[in-house]
Amino acid sequence: QVQLVQSGTEVKKPGASVKVSCKASGYTFTSYAMHWVRQAPGQRLEWMGWINAGNGNTKYSQKFQDRVTITSDTSASTAYMELSSLRSEDTAVYYCAREVTRIVGASYGMDVWGQGTTVTVSS
Amino acid sequence: ETTLTQSPAFMSATPGDKVNISCKASQDIDDDMNWYQQKPGEAVIFIIQEATTLVPGIPPRFSGSGYGTDFTLTINNIESEDAAYYFCLQHDNFPLTFGQGTKVEIK
Repeated sequence: QVQLVQSGTEVKKPGASVKVSCKASGYTFTSYAMHWVRQAPGQRLEWMGWINAGNGNTKYSQKFQDRVTITSDTSASTAYMELSSLRSEDTAVYYCAREVTRIVGASYGMDVWGQGTTVTVSS
Repeated sequence: ETTLTQSPAFMSATPGDKVNISCKASQDIDDDMNWYQQKPGEAVIFIIQEATTLVPGIPPRFSGSGYGTDFTLTINNIESEDAAYYFCLQHDNFPLTFGQGTKVEIK
């Protein structure tokens, strides 16, 4: 079955970077894009960006454009999200989620989600 | 950016009740609306796509309606296992955006 397994909990100091991984299984990794979404405590979910796992093209939310980098390793069927210049407001649960459609460039939302990775930013 | 206003933020229901959750978009998004269920410690589950289509494997007591700016998730004959956080997502335009979520409690 399709599964996304994310890396474990992270605790970082302000100004540091964090890199979260998302290992996919049960489908052809390069056939689907991968989204990254986060949810800060008490806040709604926020879309951060996505990557076309087939060609590596990315698109980011303007809010995170300057600080986020999404990459993928097709040999490992793994997507990564790196967020730099961390601040306390980045404390959140970060999710990877597979795009519904295989149509390149279009989004129909997400179908399968990872279990979430808690990132805490604290001095 | 499309803002989604979801309501109510919290609701308490009795088994067998019919529950409606609303999601209003700040602009016309056609039927580009999905609904999801999230339970503590579990992965998010995709329940409704394109506003009205039940995702395979989801019980038929779940249904979706709406088009344009007003959307509703309905749970008929709600069961105890439906206690969860529900949220809507619009995928009509980037950035994709989410509703604030609704916590459904079963008495």
